[in-house]
Amino acid sequence: GAGVSQTPSNKVTEKGKYVELRCDPISGHTALYWYRQSLGQGPEFLIYFQGTGAADDSGLPNDRFFAVRPEGSVSTLKIQRTERGDSAVYLCASSSSRGDTQYFGPGTRLTVL
Amino acid sequence: AQKITQTQPGMFVQEKEAVTLDCTYDTSDPSYGLFWYKQPSSGEMIFLIYQGSYDQQNATEGRYSLNFQKARKSANLVISASQLGDSAMYFCAMREGNAGNMLTFGGGTRLMVKP
Repeated sequence: GAGVSQTPSNKVTEKGKYVELRCDPISGHTALYWYRQSLGQGPEFLIYFQGTGAADDSGLPNDRFFAVRPEGSVSTLKIQRTERGDSAVYLCASSSSRGDTQYFGPGTRLTVL
Repeated sequence: AQKITQTQPGMFVQEKEAVTLDCTYDTSDPSYGLFWYKQPSSGEMIFLIYQGSYDQQNATEGRYSLNFQKARKSANLVISASQLGDSAMYFCAMREGNAGNMLTFGGGTRLMVKP
């Protein structure tokens, strides 16, 4: 079946603008995760959803970052007042339940000018 | 302290030979899982292999095997019969049983397979 998909694949924005990044998990996967990967580093955890609720948002760096998953499937990561330091690849992953292997999407490369 | 340490920023291996990528971890949680992912230049993280802390045997998946040494807190990835398509970044990651569902990643190792 189809894997995790993310849109857009690339996003260029100006400092101070608002952006939305979308993740469509593997069909039937109840758990969804967002990670951020800066250049030359491993991914860092941002937030985890189990169903519609955010079960763990301890990785969100500040209140400019917010994520939703209103129907328990597609998730949107929202970043307000973007800063140049937000430039990174944002990875989404899903798993069939808590504790199972996480399968990743291709990522969204965000560039803040 | 780093939870996952990958000490080899870059590695070369000759095609058809075996290579070992190192990973050490740090946790006080008795229940944890260790994962290896491959990230080619396209950027997608591809799951390779998983080892649970209570698993008695080392995990194997095709040409991939995990050399799990619990007392030394190491979980090295062994790739046998390297292929040109194995050239990529490789990340070791850990999920701790009492720390939610997040994966903690190491800094990665870039593997380059020479023809």
